[in-house]
Amino acid sequence: RKEVEQDPGPFNVPEGATVAFNCTYSNSASQSFFWYRQDCRKEPKLLMSVYSSGNEDGRFTAQLNRASQYISLLIRDSKLSDSATYLCVVTGNQFYFGTGTSLTVIP
Amino acid sequence: NAGVTQTPKFRVLKTGQSMTLLCAQDMNHEYMYWYRQDPGMGLRLIHYSVGEGTTAKGEVPDGYNVSRLKKQNFLLGLESAAPSQTSVYFCASSFGFGNTIYFGEGSWLTVV
Repeated sequence: RKEVEQDPGPFNVPEGATVAFNCTYSNSASQSFFWYRQDCRKEPKLLMSVYSSGNEDGRFTAQLNRASQYISLLIRDSKLSDSATYLCVVTGNQFYFGTGTSLTVIP
Repeated sequence: NAGVTQTPKFRVLKTGQSMTLLCAQDMNHEYMYWYRQDPGMGLRLIHYSVGEGTTAKGEVPDGYNVSRLKKQNFLLGLESAAPSQTSVYFCASSFGFGNTIYFGEGSWLTVV
């Protein structure tokens, strides 16, 4: 079983839509959680950390559910510039990356 | 702000040739990593280091060697390149496993 699993998508949504991604993890002892964004032919970059109480950064909201072992990312009012692949990252004694969820925002 | 710097960015090798990928970070991070990324496979850890002079194997270490002689540098070597090593290679660094990980811009390697 993979440490981290994500729905690969692709998600194709119109501008202004709300879209949500989920990511499940297998190790209940996992300690830190992140969402990264990766543009085509670029390196992954930190989008936001995920805190136990949930956190928001502008149009982006991240949630952690330890009981069900998943993290989520909600993007409101999608912009064309949000088109990218979103990676969830879970840490314990190592960094574990999901394979990414592809998002395309359509005009 | 340099962050994590990788060289070279692009390279074409013939099967059996050797090469070294260089990674440098200026954030005083203890931990450094080499990943490869292939379509549909996600990021896979090749080797990592938790401090100067230390190295450890990751998920896919075969065919690669690494060295961490200085805290700021982490070198990835391919002793005898194979077509299966055609990939994008990312170097990364962090203060620890629970902290934000920062990536270099990637090195595109093609083995023919």
